[in-house]
Amino acid sequence: AIQMTQSPSSLSTSVGDRVTITCRASQGIRNELSWYQQKPGKAPKLLIYAASTLQSGVPSRFSGSGTGTDFTLTISSLQPEDFATYYCLQDYNYPLTFGQGTKVEIK
Amino acid sequence: EVQLVESGGGLVQPGGSLRLSCAASGFTFSDHYMDWVRQAPGKGLEWVGRTRNKASSYTTEYAASVKGRFTISRDDSKNSLYLQMDSLKTEDTAVYYCARGSIVGSAFYFDYWGQGTLVTVSS
Repeated sequence: AIQMTQSPSSLSTSVGDRVTITCRASQGIRNELSWYQQKPGKAPKLLIYAASTLQSGVPSRFSGSGTGTDFTLTISSLQPEDFATYYCLQDYNYPLTFGQGTKVEIK
Repeated sequence: EVQLVESGGGLVQPGGSLRLSCAASGFTFSDHYMDWVRQAPGKGLEWVGRTRNKASSYTTEYAASVKGRFTISRDDSKNSLYLQMDSLKTEDTAVYYCARGSIVGSAFYFDYWGQGTLVTVSS
């Protein structure tokens, strides 16, 4: 199974900060990666698919990049509603695998 | 409006069985792959398995941790997805989400999720 390693596992940051979360695949997955945001007690929400395509309705402060094994989710200016846990997901092959999550907390 | 509503969760003893359902509305259910994803308490997301659409002959895929114990099925006439869980273990305790899969070109993603249903396996 492809392992997806996210870093950092958690980070404390402030409103207005730029946030970068990375996801590394244990083997090349082309651009077959999506990013999800999850708030406590809620279902995940799609942010980015195909590594860099912004899902309709998602604010433009979210962006994704990368191909192959290294991927990045960037939030250009963190807003209060962005404090959540973020997951990457590879769908290159089975089993689909998620990163372990990155919790973004208020400093 | 796309909606996915899970039901059927509850408390079950180890070794027991449970069947989860996911009722879909607001889209052409038969066109989409449908997956189950679970989340153990305080833990991350884990993919459970998939049923493909009619065009792909309703074939299924499973995570190794559930293969041979869980069965995913669907009834397109009822716009419903199912997860039959047998030989349950304590480590199957989790919130189970159904998720709609969408494909654009070679890109796959889960664009809609249900609210989840909690399965607790305990004696």
